[in-house]
Amino acid sequence: DIQMTQSPSTLSASVGDRVTITCRASQRISSELAWYQQKPGQAPKVLIYKATRLESGVPSRFSGSGSGTEFTLTITSLQPDDFATYYCQHYNSYSPYTFGQGTKLEIK
Amino acid sequence: QLQLQESGPGLVKPSETLSLTCTVSDDSISSSTYCWGWIRQPPGKGLEWIGSAYFSGSFYYNPSLASRVAISVDSSKSEVSLRLTSVTAADTAVYYCARQQVVVVAQRGDFDSWGQGALVTVSS
Repeated sequence: DIQMTQSPSTLSASVGDRVTITCRASQRISSELAWYQQKPGQAPKVLIYKATRLESGVPSRFSGSGSGTEFTLTITSLQPDDFATYYCQHYNSYSPYTFGQGTKLEIK
Repeated sequence: QLQLQESGPGLVKPSETLSLTCTVSDDSISSSTYCWGWIRQPPGKGLEWIGSAYFSGSFYYNPSLASRVAISVDSSKSEVSLRLTSVTAADTAVYYCARQQVVVVAQRGDFDSWGQGALVTVSS
């Protein structure tokens, strides 16, 4: 099975900062990766699909990059609404879909 | 806008069967562009994919749960169902129903719409 490893597990930042979260796949998954945002008590919401494609309605300060085994989610100019937990997920058909363990973005 | 609503018992006894239903608000349940997944999240922990099913009847389960899980899609009722047998306390979680894009059709395979989730506690 393909394992997804996110880093860091926790990230402290301030409003206006630029932050980057990394997700590594244990095998090559081309660009079959999505990023989700989850706030307490809410369901996850997709931000990025196909590694780099911004979901409709998601602010342009969110961006994704990478392919193969290493991927990043970048948020430029953090807003108060961005403090949440972020998950990556692969959807390569040859392995059960798995999520990363999550990155909690906290206010510094 | 698509809405997904999970429903079912919030408390299940150990060794019994967990059953949840997800009601889909539009006719995308019959579209070949989508399949329908269940994902769970134990309290304070991360997300675990349980399985996904198509309205055609085919399905794909997480091997770690495959011996206990069944997911079905009933387009006539606009419902997606989850059954998980022989539950233990480790199955206590919020269970989410979600719409998944079909990669070979949509060129993406993410879960693009989610229900609000249903907390199921396994306890005697």
